[in-house]
Amino acid sequence: KNQVEQSPQSLIILEGKNCTLQCNYTVSPFSNLRWYKQDTGRGPVSLTIMTFSENTKSNGRYTATLDADTKQSSLHITASQLSDSASYICVGTSGTYKYIFGTGTRLKVLA
Amino acid sequence: DGGITQSPKYLFRKEGQNVTLSCEQNLNHDAMYWYRQDPGQGLRLIYYSQIVNDFQKGDIAEGYSVSREKKESFPLTVTSAQKNPTAFYLCASSLMSDHTGELFFGEGSRLTVL
Repeated sequence: KNQVEQSPQSLIILEGKNCTLQCNYTVSPFSNLRWYKQDTGRGPVSLTIMTFSENTKSNGRYTATLDADTKQSSLHITASQLSDSASYICVGTSGTYKYIFGTGTRLKVLA
Repeated sequence: DGGITQSPKYLFRKEGQNVTLSCEQNLNHDAMYWYRQDPGQGLRLIYYSQIVNDFQKGDIAEGYSVSREKKESFPLTVTSAQKNPTAFYLCASSLMSDHTGELFFGEGSRLTVL
């Protein structure tokens, strides 16, 4: 069964600190894995995409990793800002157009 | 600017009423999708369409209907048959020639049943 599990469910950190969000996936056939950021009451926005052959990819202060052997991905946020407060959703793509969504990690950054 | 426009942003409905949520995109994307988002759950697929005049049921299609008369438009009707329609609804689109399959989302519509 295709599924994506994220941890933790929620996280509170102080502004300026780093944090890492986790995603375990069982997606077959595996095409890619994306991380989306969703602000409260808004639509998700893509942060990064990871394919089978990629280990690390950065987008500004966001760095995603992928371990295809253990089927795990992480999203590391460096020097957090108040604007990073949002839900972060891990999405696996199976084949071309089958999307499997995780339940998200809700991040709160405090001043 | 190119993007996906959903309307209305907020909608209130009395029990027994049908409501239609609008979704328009000017990205020239082939595929369009409707998802439902509930607290603590991942996005669930309601309907999707890969071509004009054709659409397929997703995982939770019961109580919903769609149409795809134009490439740009994919409205969703929440019927009175939907037992628990209060939720946040997201429309998305993707370019089928893009092998990465990136989904672009609208800003969502929040439906509340009174």
